[in-house]
Amino acid sequence: EAGVTQFPSHSVIEKGQTVTLRCDPISGHDNLYWYRRVMGKEIKFLLHFVKESKQDESGMPNNRFLAERTGGTYSTLKVQPAELEDSGVYFCASSQDSYRVGGYTFGSGTRLTVV
Amino acid sequence: KNQVEQSPQSLIILEGKNCTLQCNYTVSPFSNLRWYKQDTGRGPVSLTIMTFSENTKSNGRYTATLDADTKQSSLHITASQLSDSASYICVVSAKTGANNLFFGTGTRLTVIP
Repeated sequence: EAGVTQFPSHSVIEKGQTVTLRCDPISGHDNLYWYRRVMGKEIKFLLHFVKESKQDESGMPNNRFLAERTGGTYSTLKVQPAELEDSGVYFCASSQDSYRVGGYTFGSGTRLTVV
Repeated sequence: KNQVEQSPQSLIILEGKNCTLQCNYTVSPFSNLRWYKQDTGRGPVSLTIMTFSENTKSNGRYTATLDADTKQSSLHITASQLSDSASYICVVSAKTGANNLFFGTGTRLTVIP
């Protein structure tokens, strides 16, 4: 079984530019989550999709972040325009059940550096 | 405030030695506690998951304990190997709330020959 795949693994962009991160969850997993880890801090929740619907986006830092999951398959997270404080590692995870009962599988993350 | 605190922040041990990592939490109402291992450049991988009624759970050389009364957990690694070098993250799940996963900052373990 293929795991959760994230692309790209690394991205270095200039402040003000746009970056789009992609996550391919495990096939059949309805639940998809985005998390972010800023250097020196803990991993924090960004948002949760159930199929193509945003179940919870309370962790999204501001309106420069836009997540989509068209068709309920892969998801994208776009940052526009990027700011220095957006640097960090963005993780995607998927699960078959809701996060209250099931286990998660995490992707390897995308390391975003904004310069 | 729901928080998860881990100690130590980093640890260096000799190959073959044992070590214990600590996790204290204030998450309520408690649902379960998970320990994850995160290798450099990889995503977190689940080691153990424990619910309120479970005091201990093992996964090979990894043994996790949970004291739900004191809200403490530990991860014990026996006969460490070089491949154990990684970050170990404690994650506590609450029963309610829209965003109910709370992560610790992790313990960075380095095993040296």
